[in-house]
Amino acid sequence: AQSVAQPEDQVNVAEGNPLTVKCTYSVSGNPYLFWYVQYPNRGLQFLLKYITGDNLVKGSYGFEAEFNKSQTSFHLKKPSALVSDSALYFCAVRNTNAGKSTFGDGTTLTVKP
Amino acid sequence: DGGITQSPKYLFRKEGQNVTLSCEQNLNHDAMYWYRQDPGQGLRLIYYSQIVNDFQKGDIAEGYSVSREKKESFPLTVTSAQKNPTAFYLCASSSYGNEQFFGPGTRLTVL
Repeated sequence: AQSVAQPEDQVNVAEGNPLTVKCTYSVSGNPYLFWYVQYPNRGLQFLLKYITGDNLVKGSYGFEAEFNKSQTSFHLKKPSALVSDSALYFCAVRNTNAGKSTFGDGTTLTVKP
Repeated sequence: DGGITQSPKYLFRKEGQNVTLSCEQNLNHDAMYWYRQDPGQGLRLIYYSQIVNDFQKGDIAEGYSVSREKKESFPLTVTSAQKNPTAFYLCASSSYGNEQFFGPGTRLTVL
């Protein structure tokens, strides 16, 4: 079985400050890890993924995430938050043989001016 | 443009009625997925298909049915057996092991 936990329902940061959205996972074998963003009444958009290689992954819109195998975490980060980053963020995991991904419950990020 | 489309954007269902949500992709992806999203909640997998003419139940398949007769198309039927169908429905596709591409969603409301 595979599972994802996003421990924070809500994250609030001030514009210009760094942001972190947390994700931990459980999966047998090697994980494929993904971050997606959803704006109101829209579908999800892919931000970045970890398949193999460098533990620090860079993605769209200045976001990055660090894969930590010992802590089974894949936290999303951005050095300087923008008001336009305010949205719902989902972490997802699948193992190399699974036909489907498992999504976390989502974290609402609010960036205040 | 390559992408994934869903129609209609809004759909209203009367009690006891079956309705079908359309999902089409021109990305040449083998895998397609249907998710349900309720307000303030995450995504729950309804059905998925990894190849034409084959599909598997997800976590909440009861009251739903699908078909995969063509690679490009994966329609979802919400049957009268689904007692609480009001939700936002998202379709997605992917090539094996890679990220999913999502459609814009269909919002279904029971009258």
